[in-house]
Amino acid sequence: DSGVTQTPKHLITATGQRVTLRCSPRSGDLSVYWYQQSLDQGLQFLIQYYNGEERAKGNILERFSAQQFPDLHSELNLSSLELGDSALYFCASSVVGGFGSPLHFGNGTRLTVT
Amino acid sequence: AQSVTQLDSHVSVSEGTPVLLRCNYSSSYSPSLFWYVQHPNKGLQLLLKYTSAATLVKGINGFEAEFKKSETSFHLTKPSAHMSDAAEYFCVVSDEGGGSQGNLIFGKGTKLSVKP
Repeated sequence: DSGVTQTPKHLITATGQRVTLRCSPRSGDLSVYWYQQSLDQGLQFLIQYYNGEERAKGNILERFSAQQFPDLHSELNLSSLELGDSALYFCASSVVGGFGSPLHFGNGTRLTVT
Repeated sequence: AQSVTQLDSHVSVSEGTPVLLRCNYSSSYSPSLFWYVQHPNKGLQLLLKYTSAATLVKGINGFEAEFKKSETSFHLTKPSAHMSDAAEYFCVVSDEGGGSQGNLIFGKGTKLSVKP
């Protein structure tokens, strides 16, 4: 058990809808990362937060947004969903979020857009 | 810029035989390197980490990796494969710039199959 909790485990929704994915990092970890994993794109980095502030941005669409709250949990909001957004979304956390920090991953949220 | 290449997308071994998963990296400085494993429908789990101490790094479940600077390689090995080792393995290099990849650059993964 990595100590990173993601909810829900599965999500099925229709195109055009909006969903929110939630992540609780390991106790003591200040940095949260979001990744998208699909069969054709592999593991794609979306965004990183450190202690409530955005630290790095990857291939995150404008329809997607995220935030990290004062209690350090994070939410990833996906809107105007398209079929191609169907994927596994992972949250990971690390203590400091800098060079050399290993990440601890949650078990992911599987999003299916129909 | 940092990058990582996993040389095989799929490796198949028989149970009890050695495992070799190959990884090459490029980096303009002394990198931190990692191997992660992902079992089906699970998150990624850290197997081992290299951070410029010993060049031979021992990880969990009997895996180890050797950092070879002259060859820019960080291959993952295990003397004897178990059925439970069947999974996807990711080689990862730490990105000092923390830019568009965040802090870590992931390889495309190697799927390991273990035959009975």
